[in-house]
Amino acid sequence: EVQLVESGGDLASPGRSLRLSCAASAFKFGDYGMHWVRQSPGKGLEWVSGITWNSARVDYADSVKGRFTISRDNARNSLYLQMDSLRLEDSAVYFCARDIAWRRVTISSIVFDSWGQGTLVAVSA
Amino acid sequence: EVVLTQSPPTLSSSPREGATLSCRASQSVSAYIAWYQQKPNQPPRLLIYDASTRATGIPARFSGSGSGTDFTLTINSLEPGDFALYYCQQYGNWPPTFGGGTKLEI
Repeated sequence: EVQLVESGGDLASPGRSLRLSCAASAFKFGDYGMHWVRQSPGKGLEWVSGITWNSARVDYADSVKGRFTISRDNARNSLYLQMDSLRLEDSAVYFCARDIAWRRVTISSIVFDSWGQGTLVAVSA
Repeated sequence: EVVLTQSPPTLSSSPREGATLSCRASQSVSAYIAWYQQKPNQPPRLLIYDASTRATGIPARFSGSGSGTDFTLTINSLEPGDFALYYCQQYGNWPPTFGGGTKLEI
């Protein structure tokens, strides 16, 4: 069974940085695109960022573009999200999620077939 | 971006009855709709994609239909574990977006 375990969530002040990690197991991580999706009471579920299986393409929601950076290390079966210049509205549970498609070359038509349990990011002054 | 409106926000039903949940898109998304189930303190679970294809391990009680802007998730013969939150997601237009959810309650 696919396992995705997020970590790195914490309480942070506005303007600070956090780095989230997602450890994957029980599947060939390097063959799948990966994404971060966040969920907050006020904004519901929101796609944040995605990266193709080979890191050739990345993309971001407009709300985080220029502040967040997604990356992956296929040798370590890990996905990352570097979150800089945090804002109050970034507070949410952050899930890593797998793209259903094997080796998709684009970040489009995304269906999320496996999700981690999430890690909580709280941004507060 | 495409706005998905789910209705009703809350749906009451009973075990062994059926339930029909709706999702309307602000513009056509073809058949690029997925449905997820979420229980308290758990991540979403994929139920349906491509509007009507059940994900691996999802029982036949769950079915999806629709195309263009109007989509339906139908759950037959409700079981206690089916009472949860349900979200639709579109991936026909960029960026992918989610609906606000329907809470299916007993």
